[in-house]
Amino acid sequence: GAVVSQHPSWVICKSGTSVKIECRSLDFQATTMFWYRQFPKQSLMLMATSNEGSKATYEQGVEKDKFLINHASLTLSTLTVTSAHPEDSSFYICSALTSGSAGELFFGEGSRLTVL
Amino acid sequence: KQEVTQIPAALSVPEGENLVLNCSFTDSAIYNLQWFRQDPGKGLTSLLLIQSSQREQTSGRLNASLDKSSGRSTLYIAASQPGDSATYLCAVVKAAGNKLTFGGGTRVLVKP
Repeated sequence: GAVVSQHPSWVICKSGTSVKIECRSLDFQATTMFWYRQFPKQSLMLMATSNEGSKATYEQGVEKDKFLINHASLTLSTLTVTSAHPEDSSFYICSALTSGSAGELFFGEGSRLTVL
Repeated sequence: KQEVTQIPAALSVPEGENLVLNCSFTDSAIYNLQWFRQDPGKGLTSLLLIQSSQREQTSGRLNASLDKSSGRSTLYIAASQPGDSATYLCAVVKAAGNKLTFGGGTRVLVKP
């Protein structure tokens, strides 16, 4: 299947700093990528839909100024957690949608963020 | 609003037994349904994708069925192995390119 790479896989930062997470589709172009957040032993919660060349669409309750999403190319989307706080500590996962009628989603390995 | 439910939330079976994982969804107007596997602290691995026009998909020991009219999908894993221990998630898409709606997952433990 298609490969989606996420980087970094884990990051620890101090409260108040910003952290950028990258999501790359390695062997296909993805006009649409999705960002999820997952708390321990819970399912994935969709944060936003990222479309190449346009503004991201955020889910209700997700602060767009805090979670900045940029999808500047067909193979790269980034999520920046600005002014991170301990409650932002979580597992963040991206996914990329293949083109064509199948529309299959492939997921990155996830990024664990710990804010001290 | 689409709701996806997976029951049971957790399942423990001895090695060699067949696994049956259930997924139900409230809105039958779906584009496709995907089954994923997630290992602890890892991302999701796509297992099977079933288009709305299909009734089942098979890959090795895995078989997924889809009954759109009743809003159900079942994932069968034959002859389970300890390496099958993971959380299994199903997700549905309403239209092409739309977001997935996930179930809560079923945590599976296969005991040697």
